[in-house]
Amino acid sequence: GAVVSQHPSWVICKSGTSVKIECRSLDFQATTMFWYRQFPKQSLMLMATSNEGSKATYEQGVEKDKFLINHASLTLSTLTVTSAHPEDSSFYICSASWGTSYEQYFGPGTRLTVT
Amino acid sequence: GQNIDQPTEMTATEGAIVQINCTYQTSGFNGLFWYQQHAGEAPTFLSYNVLDGLEEKGRFSSFLSRSKGYSYLLLKELQMKDSASYLCAVRESGNNRLAFGKGNQVVVIP
Repeated sequence: GAVVSQHPSWVICKSGTSVKIECRSLDFQATTMFWYRQFPKQSLMLMATSNEGSKATYEQGVEKDKFLINHASLTLSTLTVTSAHPEDSSFYICSASWGTSYEQYFGPGTRLTVT
Repeated sequence: GQNIDQPTEMTATEGAIVQINCTYQTSGFNGLFWYQQHAGEAPTFLSYNVLDGLEEKGRFSSFLSRSKGYSYLLLKELQMKDSASYLCAVRESGNNRLAFGKGNQVVVIP
């Protein structure tokens, strides 16, 4: 089956610093990658949709200058949380799909804690 | 836009059957997914319905009624490892975006 990895699996950073999270599709070419955020006991909230080689499409209320997304290749997308604050502490999950396939394959998630 | 509603938590006994409901409102429907999510982990795919009716896959079955904006996930022969959150997600027509419900926490007890 399709495998998606994320790195790091968890990270602790100080307020004001930036953190980069990588999402990789290991055995398929991901034409589209999605970034979600999940706060404790809440559902996954879509942050942005990323297509390879083009700018990401952000959901309403998500600051594109704060959450920088780069989808430079068909196997890698990165999310950079700039000037992180404690309220950005969350579980960040990426997913990937290809072509018109209906399935999204989820990465294992990254737990971000901002102190 | 989309509005997806799921009840929040239920407890069931090992070996029992549990049904988890999901209602949705969407301007453009293109399929409904069920995912299982254990605490601190990413969701794992369980089922996909795009046409009305019942889809059966082992101990899990999922039903869809598009006219009613309603789906349910049926878990049979519950096992302790089934303790998890179950999320329904609706796919929008025209793109591959998913809108998730809040999830239903199922706790399986001996």
